[in-house]
Amino acid sequence: GAVVSQHPSWVICKSGTSVKIECRSLDFQATTMFWYRQFPKQSLMLMATSNEGSKATYEQGVEKDKFLINHASLTLSTLTVTSAHPEDSSFYICSASGTGQGSYNEQFFGPGTRLTVL
Amino acid sequence: GNSVTQMEGPVTLSEEAFLTINCTYTATGYPSLFWYVQYPGEGLQLLLKATKADDKGSNKGFEATYRKETTSFHLEKGSVQVSDSAVYFCALRSGAAGNKLTFGGGTRVLVKP
Repeated sequence: GAVVSQHPSWVICKSGTSVKIECRSLDFQATTMFWYRQFPKQSLMLMATSNEGSKATYEQGVEKDKFLINHASLTLSTLTVTSAHPEDSSFYICSASGTGQGSYNEQFFGPGTRLTVL
Repeated sequence: GNSVTQMEGPVTLSEEAFLTINCTYTATGYPSLFWYVQYPGEGLQLLLKATKADDKGSNKGFEATYRKETTSFHLEKGSVQVSDSAVYFCALRSGAAGNKLTFGGGTRVLVKP
């Protein structure tokens, strides 16, 4: 149990276009989802936290107009990178926590999405 | 604020060697501590955790003990295998920080046959 999927696993796009990444909890209801960004050979940086049905809470320094997060259901959150530029190229990872899975507030991670902006 | 410091890698070992990855933390309150593992091209997997002082987390031959007095959570494995090659992240979660995870910088481990 407690499986989190991401789609796509990798994407290449042109500069100026927008890219949407999906994060799904497959076998539990994710009341909270987290989006992280990981640069090569570096740690994970939390970008934002989203609760189902509410606006996402962004970490300091993360542009909310550039990284649009939607958490419209208990099994799906999306991250849209708008007007992507090469510096947005990174590995984006989501995690989810919810009721009935693991210990309280335990996060389960998706496999990540590698975004390359040309 | 919360922070996690872990030893920098890469750590290169021979198969069956002993592995230690140091991790120390700074946190308000009484955090829970975690070790995550990331295999090449994959997301993070929880390796083990400890939720209170003196707890020992263990999984797949790895162990770590929550030491409140030294604010440490060092990861150890007595005999590594090539399949243990991965990046290991120490992390903490503190209720004072809204239950967010704070990660260390990660330690890359390479086990050679």
